[in-house]
Amino acid sequence: GQQLNQSPQSMFIQEGEDVSMNCTSSSIFNTWLWYKQEPGEGPVLLIALYKAGELTSNGRLTAQFGITRKDSFLNISASIPSDVGIYFCAGLAGGTSYGKLTFGQGTILTVHP
Amino acid sequence: GAVVSQHPSRVICKSGTSVKIECRSLDFQATTMFWYRQFPKQSLMLMATSNEGSKATYEQGVEKDKFLINHASLTLSTLTVTSAHPEDSSFYICSAVRDYPTVGQYFGPGTRLTVT
Repeated sequence: GQQLNQSPQSMFIQEGEDVSMNCTSSSIFNTWLWYKQEPGEGPVLLIALYKAGELTSNGRLTAQFGITRKDSFLNISASIPSDVGIYFCAGLAGGTSYGKLTFGQGTILTVHP
Repeated sequence: GAVVSQHPSRVICKSGTSVKIECRSLDFQATTMFWYRQFPKQSLMLMATSNEGSKATYEQGVEKDKFLINHASLTLSTLTVTSAHPEDSSFYICSAVRDYPTVGQYFGPGTRLTVT
């Protein structure tokens, strides 16, 4: 089946630093989504990408949908302590923001004040 | 808007018993809901697609007789773990698809199941 490879697995950074994480796939996805999950909670959608090459921002977050439709990255600028959590990429075969999601392995982000 | 709840948030049961987990869309109707399970420090794995008024569609490797799904109304899907064993201990998360006023998929807060 489809798999998403997400890296890095974990990051330990200082407050104020920028963060970058990415996902690659062996097959094409028509929608890429980025989620944040906090301990004991369900994932919360951060950014949705629908077009190859699309670059979308949400506050300090910026994500891009790769031209090949097989990769995506998420950047967080000027990190703050509340950015701590697990970040997941997810892909959808359809061109919508809903449906059967394939998740990456997650990136655990720790921000030191 | 677009709130999804799960009940219970945590449950501990003895091996061999059955446990029911509820997923509710509180302020919208959802003809489609999804059930995922997540082991500690791992990703979410889709278990099944729950469709209101019809049988659930299970992913490969998920036992339909062990994980019973019932989507009896447009706001409620239930997952019953039958004859639970310790290896079923996991974090179970549902998501619900909203069609109106805007389309989107929203996750519940999850249910932590511990089988002793």
